Amino acid sequence: EAGVVQSPRYKIIEKKQPVAFWCNPISGHNTLYWYRQNLGQGPELLIRYENEEAVDDSQLPKDRFSAERLKGVDSTLKIQPAELGDSAVYLCASSLDFNGPPEAKTQYFGPGTRLLVL
Amino acid sequence: AQTVTQSQPEMSVQEAETVTLSCTYDTSESDYYLFWYKQPPSRQMILVIRQEAYKQQNATENRFSVNFQKAAKSFSLKISDSQLGDAAMYFCAYTTDKIIFGKGTRLHILP
Repeated sequence: EAGVVQSPRYKIIEKKQPVAFWCNPISGHNTLYWYRQNLGQGPELLIRYENEEAVDDSQLPKDRFSAERLKGVDSTLKIQPAELGDSAVYLCASSLDFNGPPEAKTQYFGPGTRLLVL
Repeated sequence: AQTVTQSQPEMSVQEAETVTLSCTYDTSESDYYLFWYKQPPSRQMILVIRQEAYKQQNATENRFSVNFQKAAKSFSLKISDSQLGDAAMYFCAYTTDKIIFGKGTRLHILP
């Protein structure tokens, strides 16, 4: 079974440019997460989707970040315009069902997209 | 607000020995879930072990076990018979309707 797929793996852009990250979760997983992980830190949740609905976006900087999960499968996270402080690894994860039994809450992570803003 | 604290930024253990990573959390909730995730260098994060707060019995997965002290809000991870492949960042995570990760502990295995 394929795991969580993310692309691109690496991205270098200049500040004020837009950037987008793509995530394909594990088939059948209805919950999708986007995290930001700064160097030497733990992941920080940006947004959580249940199917196509964003149920927790309280930590998403809405002035420059946006996300969508069309048809409740793939998701895209966008930053426009990017700032120097956005340099980080952006992780996507999925789980079977955040509101389900304990084993369904286990998150499966993708390899991440490493963003460098110059 | 819920918080997760991992007080050991780095630890080292001799191969085949036992090591314990600490994690404390703060919450007013009574029903929640706790996880330990492992992030090897340049590799994906994977689940190590999960504990449901309503269960008194400590979770165990092969060489990995936890010491869950609900009243003390403590959730430590014990790795027995440490192996070179255990070298990684270990993150403690707390979940209710929110998901919060600690800052991680980098574990070095000494041959």
